[in-house]
Amino acid sequence: AQSVTQLDSQVPVFEEAPVELRCNYSSSVSVYLFWYVQYPNQGLQLLLKYLSGSTLVKGINGFEAEFNKSQTSFHLRKPSVHISDTAEYFCAVTSAGTGNQFYFGTGTSLTVIP
Amino acid sequence: EADIYQTPRYLVIGTGKKITLECSQTMGHDKMYWYQQDPGMELHLIHYSYGVNSTEKGDLSSESTVSRIRTEHFPLTLESARPSHTSQYLCASSRGLALHFGNGTRLTVT
Repeated sequence: AQSVTQLDSQVPVFEEAPVELRCNYSSSVSVYLFWYVQYPNQGLQLLLKYLSGSTLVKGINGFEAEFNKSQTSFHLRKPSVHISDTAEYFCAVTSAGTGNQFYFGTGTSLTVIP
Repeated sequence: EADIYQTPRYLVIGTGKKITLECSQTMGHDKMYWYQQDPGMELHLIHYSYGVNSTEKGDLSSESTVSRIRTEHFPLTLESARPSHTSQYLCASSRGLALHFGNGTRLTVT
């Protein structure tokens, strides 16, 4: 079975400060990892994904994430946040072994403070 | 970017009513999904389909049903709504490994 743990339910950060949103997964097989963002009253939008290759993945809006197999982590980072980054962020995992079913974390609410 | 549409966006209905939540996508994706989303909880998969005439139940037990008669259309039906069905319902589709989501339907059953 696969699962995703997002360690922080809420993260407040000042504008232009760096931020890291943490994600750990559990799986005994090779995985594919994703970060999604959800703005108020909208669906989820793909930020970035790790399928294979380089462990540092760059996404939209200046976000990046690093896949760490030994620590089973896929933390999301941004060096300087903007007010418009205020949203809910979800980490997700899937693998061929699960028929490509996706498992999501409980989300991290990022609030950027002016 | 995939185009996937959900209607209605908001729905308030009384207990016992039958409702259908609509989901359509214009990208020709074979795989479609329904997720239930509640505050502070992970998204729960309630139904999925890998193509026309293919439907499966997800991990979360649900009293809803789905159908997939056309590739682009994946409606979800509740025969008799109850207050416990109050939630946000998200439809998604995929061809490769990334999901594309609609904007969701927020359902309130009174």
